[in-house]
Amino acid sequence: LAKTTQPISMDSYEGQEVNITCSHNNIATNDYITWYQQFPSQGPRFIIQGYKTKVTNEVASLFIPADRKSSTLSLPRVSLSDTAVYYCLVGGMDSNYQLIWGAGTKLIIKP
Amino acid sequence: ETGVTQTPRHLVMGMTNKKSLKCEQHLGHNAMYWYKQSAKKPLELMFVYSLEERVENNSVPSRFSPECPNSSHLFLHLHTLQPEDSALYLCASSQDGGDRSSYEQYFGPGTRLTVT
Repeated sequence: LAKTTQPISMDSYEGQEVNITCSHNNIATNDYITWYQQFPSQGPRFIIQGYKTKVTNEVASLFIPADRKSSTLSLPRVSLSDTAVYYCLVGGMDSNYQLIWGAGTKLIIKP
Repeated sequence: ETGVTQTPRHLVMGMTNKKSLKCEQHLGHNAMYWYKQSAKKPLELMFVYSLEERVENNSVPSRFSPECPNSSHLFLHLHTLQPEDSALYLCASSQDGGDRSSYEQYFGPGTRLTVT
């Protein structure tokens, strides 16, 4: 099973770009990498998903190196409302629902 | 709104009680999940139902009993719980694609359970 490791917390300031890295050394061939955002008293919310190289959507980018042993979530020009916990998830339906969540990174954005 | 609702939002129960958590998804998905979220611990996947059949059961104690009567509804029946079972219980749904290679889960707001 792939174990994921991510920083416990990070601070940044409004308008900055924030990069959060997740390590998953034992990722399986068929595993996808997915990032979620969670606010207090809410369930996690899907941000972005990728398999390799780079994926970009309207809210974030995901960078995955060729060996896929890590991934970096990039949030451009953060605002105070981006203060939340960010989770890295490795797995997929092909891996028989072995979904391994990271412990989460608490991101605090300061004015 | 995520399209996944959970009731109740808060529940306090004694160790001898029996209660049930309910989840309903309005997204037309064919897979549903129960997760346990404890403070400062990763989300723990408890059960997965795909096409109304249980496909994953991660060594969850028998005092937790899931039920999926149809693709839109999921229950978690609770009995003789322990104080360490106090946590946020999250329900999620996804569309199990034909190639089974990727997914996107939609979560409900969770039920905050306290066992006294």
